[in-house]
Amino acid sequence: AQSVTQLDSQVPVFEEAPVELRCNYSSSVSVYLFWYVQYPNQGLQLLLKYLSGSTLVKGINGFEAEFNKSQTSFHLRKPSVHISDTAEYFCAVSDLNFGNEKLTFGTGTRLTIIP
Amino acid sequence: DTGVSQDPRHKITKRGQNVTFRCDPISEHNRLYWYRQTLGQGPEFLTYFQNEAQLEKSRLLSDRFSAERPKGSFSTLEIQRTEQGDSAMYLCASSFDWRNGELFFGEGSRLTVL
Repeated sequence: AQSVTQLDSQVPVFEEAPVELRCNYSSSVSVYLFWYVQYPNQGLQLLLKYLSGSTLVKGINGFEAEFNKSQTSFHLRKPSVHISDTAEYFCAVSDLNFGNEKLTFGTGTRLTIIP
Repeated sequence: DTGVSQDPRHKITKRGQNVTFRCDPISEHNRLYWYRQTLGQGPEFLTYFQNEAQLEKSRLLSDRFSAERPKGSFSTLEIQRTEQGDSAMYLCASSFDWRNGELFFGEGSRLTVL
């Protein structure tokens, strides 16, 4: 079984400032890792994913995340946020054997951009 | 719009009534998933289909819940004898390749049980 911990439920950040959203996971097997974003009144959308290879993963809208196996973390970063980044961000994990099926999500981090 | 669509978007019902949600996936996607999201929580896996075959069901899916995907196209999720604890957002997602890591989600169907 896997679990995901998103340490911050809400993160306020000034516009053009950097941001890091934290995600730690627990699993007894190798995993795939994902960040999904949910903009107001929209469905969840994939931001980026780690399947294998380089531990630094780049996604849409200037976001990136780094997979750290020793610390079981997959923190999401952006060097300069924009007002349009206001959304809820979910970290998710799945068993390597199941691909994108049966994702286990964290509780989410609400990112609020302050003008 | 060729995204995942869900209907209805909102449903208010009285305890004990039956409700049914429909999901239309992206047309070329053979896998379809149902998740449930309660307030303050992330989505929780309920069940998924490959074409018309239901491959797995979570323990969250009690015997009051049933999901179907006739002909491998749209899917329905029915909840019988609804309880207040069933109040949640029911999310549908689809994918073409389970290995590439991307699910395409609909906007969800919000259920409120009074």
